[in-house]
Amino acid sequence: NAGVTQTPKFRILKIGQSMTLQCTQDMNHNYMYWYRQDPGMGLKLIYYSVGAGITDKGEVPNGYNVSRSTTEDFPLRLELAAPSQTSVYFCASSTGQRIEAFFGQGTRLTVV
Amino acid sequence: DQQVKQNSPSLSVQEGRISILNCDYTNSMFDYFLWYKKYPAEGPTFLISISSIKDKNEDGRFTVFLNKSAKHLSLHIVPSQPGDSAVYFCAAVKSGSRLTFGEGTQLTVNP
Repeated sequence: NAGVTQTPKFRILKIGQSMTLQCTQDMNHNYMYWYRQDPGMGLKLIYYSVGAGITDKGEVPNGYNVSRSTTEDFPLRLELAAPSQTSVYFCASSTGQRIEAFFGQGTRLTVV
Repeated sequence: DQQVKQNSPSLSVQEGRISILNCDYTNSMFDYFLWYKKYPAEGPTFLISISSIKDKNEDGRFTVFLNKSAKHLSLHIVPSQPGDSAVYFCAAVKSGSRLTFGEGTQLTVNP
């Protein structure tokens, strides 16, 4: 059972470039989340989804977009990369908001 | 507005002793609390949780205590082992809303 899989693990982007962080889960979870973690900071919620076709903003959504066309996939899109988006990004999924979430291994993104 | 705070960025203990990690929150509407553990280059993994209607939950070497009047929770690890060395995040949620995480505490257990 793979759980939550994120690709890529590492990426360096130039300012203004765009990219998509992929996330897929094989646990048939309805809830999926994208977090970012900056050094010395907790995890900040970027976007979340409670099911296919439904997405909502979290604490720090600016500069990002998401889609949820299937239960399994929840890609995160950066349209115009900025140095402030340098961070480690985690995707997670759960069966509900009050149930423990399963996290992917993270994507370390550097914008230069 | 940091609603969940872990005021100690790091904690160092000797193997076999007790580790106590602390977490404070400001929102009295939180009704469920969780602890996650994170090793370097890995995603966080769920450790233990507690509902706001309880004041203690125990799972093996891990016990979480909740003091609602003080808006404080703590994670006790007894006995501590070197493999427990990791970053520990506390998180809180209120019904209909999303998880809010603290900043994390780096625990180092020395052999």
